[in-house]
Parts: sequence; structure tokens; C-alpha cells
Amino acid sequence: SQQGEEDPQALSIQEGENATMNCSYKTSINNLQWYRQNSGRGLVHLILIRSNEREKHSGRLRVTLDTSKKSSSLLITASRAADTASYFCATDATFGNEKLTFGTGTRLTIIP
Amino acid sequence: DTAVSQTPKYLVTQMGNDKSIKCEQNLGHDTMYWYKQDSKKFLKIMFSYNNKELIINETVPNRFSPKSPDKAHLNLHINSLELGDSAVYFCASSPEPADTQYFGPGTRLTVL
Repeated sequence: SQQGEEDPQALSIQEGENATMNCSYKTSINNLQWYRQNSGRGLVHLILIRSNEREKHSGRLRVTLDTSKKSSSLLITASRAADTASYFCATDATFGNEKLTFGTGTRLTIIP
Repeated sequence: DTAVSQTPKYLVTQMGNDKSIKCEQNLGHDTMYWYKQDSKKFLKIMFSYNNKELIINETVPNRFSPKSPDKAHLNLHINSLELGDSAVYFCASSPEPADTQYFGPGTRLTVL
């Protein structure tokens, strides 16, 4: 079954606004990762958060992890047109045979 | 320098044919993967190799056969192509299993 599911499936915001995407998962994890995929390209790693961490920052990105709720959120502040892409969470399940299971993705569109 | 490269980028072929996709990484990683992304952008792991040994084989039809001649290369051969094989195939690598992954640009396979 699908480990991670992103919410919303699609999000459109004005340039300069903040974008928040959520990821829910089902089993205990070692880490959770966020990736970006521009149209027609491969995925690019954004940030990794371990199960014993609650929050992590990287530039305009902020990721939170709530293991009690089995959820994570990705916040992109001061969005830019170049942030238009699909965003995926991926989980390394504790008993998951050393693989990442990707979520369904959120399609983010930044309106100039 | 391209970190993870795949060839070809596009592959159009008839049902029943056999085709191969090649992948190379110059990151010195021990682990390599093949993923399939369908038309709904759902990304699913197919195979994973660690130090040239197969560690993950996710109920993929045996028409698909991966080969890892060395740690830097992971090729995918597909026999008797079917319409349902049409998808984008991504190669990826990571320092160790389920770690941060680096993706290739993808190979769009279209089976007619």
C-alpha cells in the first residue's frame, strides 16, 4: 500500500506567498525526505529529516515532522515562479527493507 | 559533470520488442535503483543494487532484468515489451540504501 500521501494534490498561489504541503504516512520511519520534480526532469532531493528530529530548515524551505501523527509538512516561503514543480515526500520505513516509498505528490503552481 | 546519466532519453518501440536502458553514476555511490513513474506521476521502485548485488526486487515481471556490471552502472533490459510498460523510467543512486537519492533525467518509454 502507498506509504506516503501528499495533500493537497494541487496548489496554486501567487508569487511571494508561502506554500505548505503535507505528507502522511502509515508506519514508523527512520527518515522522511522531500523531493522536487520539474516537468520532464528527474527528482531533486530537497531535505531529509530523521525520526528523532522535529524541524529542519534549508534556505526558504522548512520541514516539520510529527511522528505521533505520522505526518510531515513542507513550507516554502516567499515563493518564486521557479518553485513551480511537483513535490514528493518519501519515507524510509523502519521495517521497510531499506527502500524509499514515495508519496503521490503535490503539484505546485506559482502564479507570477 | 552529470552525476547520474541515462540513455536513451526517449525510446519508442513496438509491442513485443526487446529494449535496454543504460545508467551510469559518477558519484562513487554504492547503491543504485530503477524506478518507474506512470502517467499519474506515481513513482514506484523496481530494483535496487548495493555493491553490485540485488537487494530489492519489487514484484516486477521477469521480463525486466537489471544488470550491474560494476558499482557505477546499472542497466535495465526489458523483453517482450507490452503497452503497459509505457512510462518514464528513472535511475537513481545513493551512498547507501534509503539514503538521499540522486536521480537521472529519466527515459520516456513509449510502446506502440
